[in-house]
Amino acid sequence: KNEVEQSPQNLTAQEGEFITINCSYSVGISALHWLQQHPGGGIVSLFMLSSGKKKHGRLIATINIQEKHSSLHITASHPRDSAVYICAVRPNYGGATNKLIFGTGTLLAVQP
Amino acid sequence: DTEVTQTPKHLVMGMTNKKSLKCEQHMGHRAMYWYKQKAKKPPELMFVYSYEKLSINESVPSRFSPECPNSSLLNLHLHALQPEDSALYLCASSQLNLVSYNEQFFGPGTRLTVL
Repeated sequence: KNEVEQSPQNLTAQEGEFITINCSYSVGISALHWLQQHPGGGIVSLFMLSSGKKKHGRLIATINIQEKHSSLHITASHPRDSAVYICAVRPNYGGATNKLIFGTGTLLAVQP
Repeated sequence: DTEVTQTPKHLVMGMTNKKSLKCEQHMGHRAMYWYKQKAKKPPELMFVYSYEKLSINESVPSRFSPECPNSSLLNLHLHALQPEDSALYLCASSQLNLVSYNEQFFGPGTRLTVL
């Protein structure tokens, strides 16, 4: 079992829909990233969380440290949101390194 | 300047060629990373440099040779690669605080094809 699990693996939505992507992890962490990657492209960091909730435009990320769970929400989805969304955690073990454990990603397709 | 740049964007090379990938950042970050990403897979860490010294090598074959000539620049020298080395190579950088985690900033990647 992977230390970081994402669901769903694939998601198709209609433009304007509210979207939720979930991330569960099994290790103690000091931080969690939500990353976005367009097909064939590089990675953009959307959020880094260690507690609570963050909002940026139409994107909202929440984390529950006790439950080891995070969600990424997209409001009023748009075709340009179509991408792979990756959850990555920085585990408490590993000393001073900044090693990340990546989830396998959620492929989102927003249809017009 | 808040970005990580990588050159070239695309690279095609033969198995006998020698080539280099370049990564640059001007955010004052003292940790730099190389990742390899195969299609539809998450990135895999290859190397980490901390204060221009190699701190992590994830058992990467010697045909990949990293170099950090200064705090802003990270190179990955490639020699005698195999077709299975074809992938997206991502560079990242972060501040280096030994007490807490520092956010990694990713570059756009170099798409490498080995023929």
